Amino acid sequence: GAGVSQTPSNKVTEKGKYVELRCDPISGHTALYWYRQSLGQGPEFLIYFQGTGAADDSGLPNDRFFAVRPEGSVSTLKIQRTERGDSAVYLCASSFSLDGNTIYFGEGSWLTVV
Amino acid sequence: GDSVTQMEGPVTLSEEAFLTINCTYTATGYPSLFWYVQYPGEGLQLLLKATKADDKGSNKGFEATYRKETTSFHLEKGSVQVSDSAVYFCALSQSLGAQKLVFGQGTRLTINP
Repeated sequence: GAGVSQTPSNKVTEKGKYVELRCDPISGHTALYWYRQSLGQGPEFLIYFQGTGAADDSGLPNDRFFAVRPEGSVSTLKIQRTERGDSAVYLCASSFSLDGNTIYFGEGSWLTVV
Repeated sequence: GDSVTQMEGPVTLSEEAFLTINCTYTATGYPSLFWYVQYPGEGLQLLLKATKADDKGSNKGFEATYRKETTSFHLEKGSVQVSDSAVYFCALSQSLGAQKLVFGQGTRLTINP
């Protein structure tokens, strides 16, 4: 596809369960970013990758959150032992490089923990 | 730490009205400044940007000027249209690119015909 693709678009899970959110960046983009947007708030940075490596994961809230990008393209955000406070829209974005000022966002994955 | 503060919404205007959405920031050094827009059912899109003091970013009739002395980056448009209805986010980045964006809370804009 032409844009950043995120799946699932919506996910409802029970407290304590494990969740995976997938991001397909724009083809050829080497940099990939994850943000989290709570209701009524702006997005908050979680982590970004340059290629396969996490260049900065300082925004991950705790060790229940983990992200991978094993082949330098698709990325998966993993959340263990979900809590109700994890309910948010998880946004993925990509850019040609870390130096590029324009990053392109996907539509997000809405996660609801009940 | 760095932060961005936007005027609270929602903002409702009539078509062809003048628009200002205020944005101020707190940051060390010389961050790059951005406005992003989120139309209904779509992802965040870059609207405009400015990378140094006194730069003016512009796109689609929107403008914003990087004011270092007032730490502001207010968004303006002279004549809004119904299609401008969206949520607008002001953001900054300390990095050369836009790796770690710090966003404001967003301002919902509704334009009535």
